[in-house]
Amino acid sequence: ETGVTQSPTHLIKTRGQQVTLRCSSQSGHNTVSWYQQALGQGPQFIFQYYREEENGRGNFPPRFSGLQFPNYSSELNVNALELDDSALYLCASSLGQSNTEAFFGQGTRLTVV
Amino acid sequence: QQQVKQSPQSLIVQKGGISIINCAYENTAFDYFPWYQQFPGKGPALLIAIRPDVSEKKEGRFTISFNKSAKQFSLHIMDSQPGDSATYFCAASRVYGNKLVFGAGTILRVKS
Repeated sequence: ETGVTQSPTHLIKTRGQQVTLRCSSQSGHNTVSWYQQALGQGPQFIFQYYREEENGRGNFPPRFSGLQFPNYSSELNVNALELDDSALYLCASSLGQSNTEAFFGQGTRLTVV
Repeated sequence: QQQVKQSPQSLIVQKGGISIINCAYENTAFDYFPWYQQFPGKGPALLIAIRPDVSEKKEGRFTISFNKSAKQFSLHIMDSQPGDSATYFCAASRVYGNKLVFGAGTILRVKS
């Protein structure tokens, strides 16, 4: 098990609603990356936070936003939920801006109905 | 140029056999190539990774072979066991980049 924890593990939302997902990074890690994994596909990069600043963003609309806190935990916010947002949302923590030794949490399964 | 193509989509191997999964990348700036293992309901777990300065890396039953000129790398699982049944993802990135680019995954089933 990694030291990366995500909450909640599952949730169901209605189309148009807003959702906040949370991630606690592994001790000593100051970088958190968020990924979306649709069913049967590989994870897709949403964005990364390094020392509380956004450090790169994938091909996701602005209604996907995030925060990183001084303790390096992070939130992913999604506004105006769409059915296609249904997926497993993963966060990964790492040290510095290196992708080596990036450890993933167990994910949050979001279902939009 | 950001794609990583992975094959096969699924693989069935007898217990004790060798499982081989292949990946190809396009971006020559990538210099870090990890493999992740994912069980149902879990996040991906880092299995083994390689940098392009070596052509092969072995850890226990798992070996990565890397061909820089062909821009391909592969995962070999020796003496495959039923407990290895999982989805395997290759990925590529820059060591000091901000994202991992994943392949689509390979569902491995090891028959006992």
